[in-house]
Amino acid sequence: LAKTTQPISMDSYEGQEVNITCSHNNIATNDYITWYQQFPSQGPRFIIQGYKTKVTNEVASLFIPADRKSSTLSLPRVSLSDTAVYYCLVGPYSGAGSYQLTFGKGTKLSVIP
Amino acid sequence: KAGVTQTPRYLIKTRGQQVTLSCSPISGHRSVSWYQQTPGQGLQFLFEYFSETQRNKGNFPGRFSGRQFSNSRSEMNVSTLELGDSALYLCASSLISAGTDTQYFGPGTRLTVL
Repeated sequence: LAKTTQPISMDSYEGQEVNITCSHNNIATNDYITWYQQFPSQGPRFIIQGYKTKVTNEVASLFIPADRKSSTLSLPRVSLSDTAVYYCLVGPYSGAGSYQLTFGKGTKLSVIP
Repeated sequence: KAGVTQTPRYLIKTRGQQVTLSCSPISGHRSVSWYQQTPGQGLQFLFEYFSETQRNKGNFPGRFSGRQFSNSRSEMNVSTLELGDSALYLCASSLISAGTDTQYFGPGTRLTVL
């Protein structure tokens, strides 16, 4: 069962790039890494998912080194509306068999004007 | 397309009681997962249902149970409530599998146990 570790909190100024790293030392071969964003009083919302190397979509990039023991979520030019808690989730890609989905404790990002 | 809905949004119970929470997934989604969220433990996986069968289960006592109906709607039950069960309970739906597909979360049910 892959355990994840993230920084508890981070502060950033508007317009800056923010990088949030998640450690998952015992990630399994068939595990994917997914990041979610959560605002107060709402459920988490999918941001990005990856397996290795780099993935980019319209809101973020995800960097995964070759050993896959960590991953970094990169948010370009953050705004006040990006203030939220960001969760790293490590779980198997294959739906076959038994698995558990392990969320990190989350990183509270505060964007300062 | 309507999102995931959870009812009720807020609930207050006393120790020893039982509670049932309901979740309606996105239309066409067949997998429903449940999570418990607390300030101290974060988001913890309870279980996942697919085609009316429990596919996976997290490390929670047997007091926590669930079921899924033929229309994919799901209910979660907690019996003999304890103070520590106070939490936000989140439901998430996926197309086929929470491990494979993007999970879409509902707004949650805030349960307070007195």
